[in-house]
Amino acid sequence: DTGVSQNPRHKITKRGQNVTFRCDPISEHNRLYWYRQTLGQGPEFLTYFQNEAQLEKSRLLSDRFSAERPKGSFSTLEIQRTEQGDSAMYLCASSFGQPRHYGYTFGSGTRLTVV
Amino acid sequence: RKEVEQDPGPFNVPEGATVAFNCTYSNSASQSFFWYRQDCRKEPKLLMSVYSSGNEDGRFTAQLNRASQYISLLIRDSKLSDSATYLCVGDGGATNKLIFGTGTLLAVQP
Repeated sequence: DTGVSQNPRHKITKRGQNVTFRCDPISEHNRLYWYRQTLGQGPEFLTYFQNEAQLEKSRLLSDRFSAERPKGSFSTLEIQRTEQGDSAMYLCASSFGQPRHYGYTFGSGTRLTVV
Repeated sequence: RKEVEQDPGPFNVPEGATVAFNCTYSNSASQSFFWYRQDCRKEPKLLMSVYSSGNEDGRFTAQLNRASQYISLLIRDSKLSDSATYLCVGDGGATNKLIFGTGTLLAVQP
């Protein structure tokens, strides 16, 4: 396990469809984060987990978005009834303990295009 | 007002030039800061942490001024391979997450 793994790398979907992304963090990292990044912007925080507990959600995370980390290992991010405005890069990151000490390690991201 | 603000650039510099990026943050409770590098259509990667006393790693120097809530990154002897977006990052104070600036685009020209 050399890094954070995200699948799929790319997803094209029609408006109104549901999509699910997966993130496998570095195995010893207990914290997992989801961010969204659009062109010309920095990553924007969506939600984070400490082990299996979802401890914070951004206001960006509308009720169409749900994230889980059922066993404190991998996580999924689901978007229901996708809209064109959901098109973005979805980044997962993990850290061991608080990220203020060592920062995050990011996965390669899932690029979502809603047509 | 964004919590972490950067000049988006682009900064177009010739090879060998010295270039400096500035960043300001608004959350006085933030304790830790980082610079991340992001290549086009890739994920951000940690470049360096920013310590109060300043931090140097080869051609890269990062500095923090807590009184002015200001962070800088200096790149000396720019290489073509330094072309990327540089993201200024602060911890969210009492929150357990990192806050990213919009990034500064650097293009090093031959």
